[in-house]
Amino acid sequence: EDQVTQSPEALRLQEGESSSLNCSYTVSGLRGLFWYRQDPGKGPEFLFTLYSAGEEKEKERLKATLTKKESFLHITAPKPEDSATYLCAVPARRSGNTGKLIFGQGTTLQVKP
Amino acid sequence: NAGVTQTPKFRVLKTGQSMTLLCAQDMNHEYMYWYRQDPGMGLRLIHYSVGEGTTAKGEVPDGYNVSRLKKQNFLLGLESAAPSQTSVYFCASNSPMDYEQYFGPGTRLTVT
Repeated sequence: EDQVTQSPEALRLQEGESSSLNCSYTVSGLRGLFWYRQDPGKGPEFLFTLYSAGEEKEKERLKATLTKKESFLHITAPKPEDSATYLCAVPARRSGNTGKLIFGQGTTLQVKP
Repeated sequence: NAGVTQTPKFRVLKTGQSMTLLCAQDMNHEYMYWYRQDPGMGLRLIHYSVGEGTTAKGEVPDGYNVSRLKKQNFLLGLESAAPSQTSVYFCASNSPMDYEQYFGPGTRLTVT
């Protein structure tokens, strides 16, 4: 069964304290891994797409990396405005031409000033 | 460019009432999706559509119906609302060229 698991469920950091979020998946034949940011009361907002092991993408204080079994979202020197829930998702193995994604449950990050 | 919009933003229903949630996108996307998001459950796919006039069941379709009469609109209907349908509903869309989905702002539904 296709599964996406994120850890930790919640993370509290002090401003400037770097850390990483994990997303592991069991889908074989990965056709991409997606990271989203979701602010309270809003819809998820796309951050990154990673397609192959070893690939890295960066945006401001965020860097996403991908291995054959998991992805990490590294947050360097976070600021309070980075507080949000971070979701990762992968295409379902039998998604065919439907674009269906399987989402993890998310990591809620709180950065205190 | 509004992206993906959803109406209404909030709604309170009594058990047994019906309602329709509207999703509209102006990006000319072929694919559209309805999700529900509950605490601890993540995003779960209710129904989806790969083009005008087509719909298919997702992970949790029971109690919901959908229609895609126009390419830009995707409607989610609740014929007889139940308290278990209290949730936040998100619509999303994307093109067949990639899996990057664009989400609407959500509809918060409470069924009492």
